[in-house]
Amino acid sequence: SQTIHQWPATLVQPVGSPLSLECTVEGTSNPNLYWYRQAAGRGLQLLFYSVGIGQISSEVPQNLSASRPQDRQFILSSKKLLLSDSGFYLCAWSFEAGTEAFFGQGTRLTVV
Amino acid sequence: AQRVTQPEKLLSVFKGAPVELKCNYSYSGSPELFWYVQYSRQRLQLLLRHISRESIKGFTADLNKGETSFHLKKPFAQEEDSAMYYCALWGSGTSYGKLTFGQGTILTVHP
Repeated sequence: SQTIHQWPATLVQPVGSPLSLECTVEGTSNPNLYWYRQAAGRGLQLLFYSVGIGQISSEVPQNLSASRPQDRQFILSSKKLLLSDSGFYLCAWSFEAGTEAFFGQGTRLTVV
Repeated sequence: AQRVTQPEKLLSVFKGAPVELKCNYSYSGSPELFWYVQYSRQRLQLLLRHISRESIKGFTADLNKGETSFHLKKPFAQEEDSAMYYCALWGSGTSYGKLTFGQGTILTVHP
C-alpha cells in the first residue's frame, strides 16, 4: 500500500531563517506531487506541483521554492522566511491527474 | 484559467435538515471534479468524484455543465457530517496535473 510522510509536524522559525519541509511517498513510482498552504478564509492554496522529476510548476509568486531530488521526494524551501510565510502546509500525491489525491498530516509553520 | 469557487465559508444546519454546499467552477475543457472532506484532527480525504456518480455517506453531487456547478447535497444532515468541505478541479492540457481547490466550506450540524 502507499503512504505519504510529511515532517516535521510543527515548526517555529525566526524571521530570516531558512526553511526545508520534506515529503516522501512510499509504495508507488512517479507520483504527481503537490504542496498546498491551508489558511483560514483562503482555503487550500496550491503552491507547487510536479508531474515528474525535473518538472515543477509554481502557482503563486512568493518567498518559497520547491524541488524534487528523487522520484518520491518533494521539498518545500525558503532561503529567508517572512512572517507572512506562517501557515499550515500540506503535501499530497496522486497516481495521475484525474485520480484521488492523498494528503499528508501537514506542517504547522510559525515564523516569529 | 481553472478556478473553483465555494461562496459559503460557513454553513450551519440542524440535524435532520437538508444541506447543500455550493461549488462553481471555471474551466474551458471537460471538468474532472471532486469533493474532499476534512474532519476534526484528521487528514483531508476524498469524499466523492463526479465521474463515479456514487453516494457516499448519504452525500451526492451532480455536475451541471450549463450552470458550471457541482453542488454537494445530503437530504438529512447528521452531527458527524460537521467538517470542512472542499471542492476540487483537475486541470488538463497545459495545466495537466494541476489540482485546484476552492476556499472551503465549514459545515456545522447542530443537534
